[in-house]
Amino acid sequence: QVQLQESGPGLVKPSETLSLTCTVSGYSISSGTYYWGWIRQPPGKGLEWIGSIYYSGITYDNPSLKSRVTISVDISKNQFSLKLTSVTAADTAVYFCARVDYGSGKWFDPWGQGTPVTVSS
Amino acid sequence: DIQMTQSPSSLSASVGDRVTITCRASESVTTFLNWYQQKPGKAPKLLIYAASTLQSGVPSRFSGSGSGTDFNLAISSLQPEDVATYYCQQSYDSWTFGQGTKVEIK
Repeated sequence: QVQLQESGPGLVKPSETLSLTCTVSGYSISSGTYYWGWIRQPPGKGLEWIGSIYYSGITYDNPSLKSRVTISVDISKNQFSLKLTSVTAADTAVYFCARVDYGSGKWFDPWGQGTPVTVSS
Repeated sequence: DIQMTQSPSSLSASVGDRVTITCRASESVTTFLNWYQQKPGKAPKLLIYAASTLQSGVPSRFSGSGSGTDFNLAISSLQPEDVATYYCQQSYDSWTFGQGTKVEIK
């Protein structure tokens, strides 16, 4: 079955760029049908959608993140990535990746286990 | 942006009780409404999609209803393993989550 795994640095300095990768196994991103998304959860708080991408490169971003987000896909590695620029302490969160069923209801399933990222000097 | 509001923010109920969580959208999302369960330290898990369709493998005591702006998630008989935070999500216009409802056992 399809599995997703986030990876990347657990500590990022303020004003720098947060970079994470989600590796997909059990399904080829280039097969289409699905989008792929990033979601985050600050400590003790709720879920926030960050952005989503299709294998062709079409992306949707959360406007509240003010264009700091870049999501890309690497078909050869079956991965998709997140870059978040100019980070502050408010970007400290657990970051999840997920598959997005775009066929009818656009729900997120399955999810990766999540990776914690702390923004601190 | 479509805003999602859940109520209550938390609830405590006894094993075997029927529990209902409400989710309201700031504008119509038709049936583009999904529910997730998140246990502490774990990733969210899809419970119900398209407002009322139970995801494969989810116990039948969970059910979803509603359309337009008002939706409900019900647990017909609360079990100890249902202790979690539940989130609604609209997927009609991009994606937005509700703030979550924490369910505990009394």
